[in-house]
Amino acid sequence: GQQVQQSPASLVLQEGENAELQCNFSSTATQLQWFYQSPGGSLVSLLSNPSGTKHTGRLTSTTVTKERRSSLHISSSQTTDSGTYLCHTGYQNFYFGKGTSLTVIP
Amino acid sequence: DPKIIQKPKYLVAVTGSEKILICEQYLGHNAMYWYRQSAKKPLEFMFSYSYQKLMDNQTASSRFQPQSSKKNHLDLQITALKPDDSATYFCASSQDVWGGTGQLYFGEGSKLTVL
Repeated sequence: GQQVQQSPASLVLQEGENAELQCNFSSTATQLQWFYQSPGGSLVSLLSNPSGTKHTGRLTSTTVTKERRSSLHISSSQTTDSGTYLCHTGYQNFYFGKGTSLTVIP
Repeated sequence: DPKIIQKPKYLVAVTGSEKILICEQYLGHNAMYWYRQSAKKPLEFMFSYSYQKLMDNQTASSRFQPQSSKKNHLDLQITALKPDDSATYFCASSQDVWGGTGQLYFGEGSKLTVL
């Protein structure tokens, strides 16, 4: 099945720094969505970006479908950004990566 | 207000028993899903339904049976519970089957503990 690799596994930032999260997938994907999972477990949709570049607020995602990779850039990080960022992708079957655990310290 | 309601939020069951997890969505979506997240594994896709019809099943065990009584309803019946079934079960929905355009939205999850 599809392999979804996310890196780094964990990241610690000072508030105000930027973060770059990566998602690499092994097979063709027609859909890709980034999620935030709060420390309490809630899943929040951040961006749906199967190809190209999309922005929302402080988030920018770039997906290069042919190279089977996507990135999520978080600018000017805040302590409330702390949590786990998950990449979800696939074609006929869909898979999540293990996530990047982000900690933003004041 | 939450648009995808899952009940119960927490439940404890004994090995061998049966439980039903409830999911209702008020987003007007046509597709619904179940996912599972256990301590040892990433979030896993289990089932997808579109217009109340099963589209995909990636669950190896027949002990997991989705039930859709209405278009905005997708329950999950789990029989003969095992400790390995302990996980948080998430319900999700999308306008149409996720694979083209559109986004997935998740409920808050039902955390199941099997003793």
